[in-house]
Amino acid sequence: GAGVSQSPSNKVTEKGKDVELRCDPISGHTALYWYRQSLGQGLEFLIYFQGNSAPDKSGLPSDRFSAERTGGSVSTLTIQRTQQEDSAVYLCASSEERPGGGGEKLFFGSGTQLSVL
Amino acid sequence: AQSVTQLDSQVPVFEEAPVELRCNYSSSVSVYLFWYVQYPNQGLQLLLKYLSGSTLVKGINGFEAEFNKSQTSFHLRKPSVHISDTAEYFCAVTAKAAGNKLTFGGGTRVLVKP
Repeated sequence: GAGVSQSPSNKVTEKGKDVELRCDPISGHTALYWYRQSLGQGLEFLIYFQGNSAPDKSGLPSDRFSAERTGGSVSTLTIQRTQQEDSAVYLCASSEERPGGGGEKLFFGSGTQLSVL
Repeated sequence: AQSVTQLDSQVPVFEEAPVELRCNYSSSVSVYLFWYVQYPNQGLQLLLKYLSGSTLVKGINGFEAEFNKSQTSFHLRKPSVHISDTAEYFCAVTAKAAGNKLTFGGGTRVLVKP
């Protein structure tokens, strides 16, 4: 089976434009996460979807960032009016998640390198 | 909320020498602990994890880590490194009640020299 797929792998955009980043998780994984990795820094949590529950949006840095997950599968992260500080690698991960569980392995995609000029 | 501190941003080490990567965490609740590795131009993959039980956890590629609750640490070790261990290593924590929402440390870049 395929792993977590992200597209595009690279995106160059102009400041002020909107961008959409796509994540296709592993089939059957109920949980999906978005992280941001800036140069020389660790991974910053953005948003977390688990099944039909309301997403945990606590990591979104501003209201320019939004994400949705359609049909419990594919997710899109949208950044409106991009700024230069949005330049980073955006990583998606998925996992199985047992009710009341935790500690499962996250499977990461290769990321989208976003460059805002 | 949880936080993770990786004390060393870079660790140069000679091939076949031992390496230890330090990780300390803070949390007011019980946690699960993880080490992930990111090889050059690859995605992150799980090295090992501590959920419960024995505090010494063995992972892939000869790595192991020890959970120390009193010191809130989860240091990663390998007795003899190879050139192929050159990568960035991330320590991560999640509260047991938080599903798999991980908080990551800043990463430690390991450069293995011949």
